Amino acid sequence: AQSVTQLGSHVSVSEGALVLLRCNYSSSVPPYLFWYVQYPNQGLQLLLKYTSAATLVKGINGFEAEFKKSETSFHLTKPSAHMSDAAEYFCAVSDKGSARQLTFGSGTQLTVLP
Amino acid sequence: NAGVTQTPKFQVLKTGQSMTLQCAQDMNHNSMYWYRQDPGMGLRLIYYSASEGTTDKGEVPNGYNVSRLNKREFSLRLESAAPSQTSVYFCASGTGSLNEQYFGPGTRLTVT
Repeated sequence: AQSVTQLGSHVSVSEGALVLLRCNYSSSVPPYLFWYVQYPNQGLQLLLKYTSAATLVKGINGFEAEFKKSETSFHLTKPSAHMSDAAEYFCAVSDKGSARQLTFGSGTQLTVLP
Repeated sequence: NAGVTQTPKFQVLKTGQSMTLQCAQDMNHNSMYWYRQDPGMGLRLIYYSASEGTTDKGEVPNGYNVSRLNKREFSLRLESAAPSQTSVYFCASGTGSLNEQYFGPGTRLTVT
């Protein structure tokens, strides 16, 4: 069974600083990986996805993530945090079966300090 | 194009009452999903439907039933609500070989 671990349930950064949100996966085969963002009282919105076409994936709002098979990681980064980035971020892994279920990490709440 | 819609947005139930959460998507997706979100636990899959006419249990199906009414609609029913079912419920639909999922705005349910 596949699983996702997000290190750090809360991360605080100053506005303009680097954002780094960590995600490690456990899967017997190279999976599909996703990052979602959830703003307060809203549903989840897809930030970016890893499809095996390229190890560095660029998403919306200036975020990107790098797939590292040797480290089983898919960390999310953004060079310069903005106040509007404050939200909860979820890493998810998808199996390749017919139903293609998503398994989510427990989430990381990002706070951006002025 | 409304995407994924859910009704109601908020609901308060007493223990033992029943209710149905409604979900509809207008993106012609084959797969639909129901999740619950609890603090510190991420999203957990309750039930899913890989295609019209099929449903399967997810990680936490106990106390719930679902109906895939047609390709657009997927409802979640609580037959006898319990306080442990207090949560935020999200419906999603998925498409493509990667199963990119699109989420509704959620239903906040409180069971007293």
